[in-house]
Amino acid sequence: DARVTQTPRHKVTEMGQEVTMRCQPILGHNTVFWYRQTMMQGLELLAYFRNRAPLDDSGMPKDRFSAEMPDATLATLKIQPSEPRDSAVYFCASGHGTGANTEAFFGQGTRLTVV
Amino acid sequence: SQELEQSPQSLIVQEGKNLTINCTSSKTLYGLYWYKQKYGEGLIFLMMLQKGGEEKSHEKITAKLDEKKQQSSLHITASQPSHAGIYLCGAVLAQGGSEKLVFGKGTKLTVNP
Repeated sequence: DARVTQTPRHKVTEMGQEVTMRCQPILGHNTVFWYRQTMMQGLELLAYFRNRAPLDDSGMPKDRFSAEMPDATLATLKIQPSEPRDSAVYFCASGHGTGANTEAFFGQGTRLTVV
Repeated sequence: SQELEQSPQSLIVQEGKNLTINCTSSKTLYGLYWYKQKYGEGLIFLMMLQKGGEEKSHEKITAKLDEKKQQSSLHITASQPSHAGIYLCGAVLAQGGSEKLVFGKGTKLTVNP
């Protein structure tokens, strides 16, 4: 049963600490998305990769957030230093596509709380 | 500003009733997705619509795409408590030279038995 795996599922950390979230996309998928979901803003696109190359990260605060794909089986989203306003659920999604339409499959999310 | 507007924001219906959720884009749609999310969980893919006038159905859920109006509707017939959740529409929109998969804020559906 192929699925996107995110770790950890929950993370509570103190302000100022580094947070790393990991995502294992579905094998064979060439597109990976990172989203952040909050009650106020809904689902916001932070960054996405195709064939491991970052295509767009304009939705991501560059001073503290970074997203990478060290290899095809791992995507990471790092926050350093973390702030209380970063508290949200972070979703990773993967898909296979070459053009505009890519059906995205979502992971279960990482619920981050920064205190 | 929100590129995809969903209406209503929340909906409470009695089991057995029909309902419709709408999604309107401020930009040209190149494809429209419908997802369902339960609290604390990830998004579950429901349907993808790519062509104007396209209509797809899965069990009691039907989605239509009106490309000219830049909108889509999701219709549930004879709703059941299992239909409860948050329905999100997503679309690939051209922005600043790249294409992004963006989402509306969702419609929270409650189905009372």
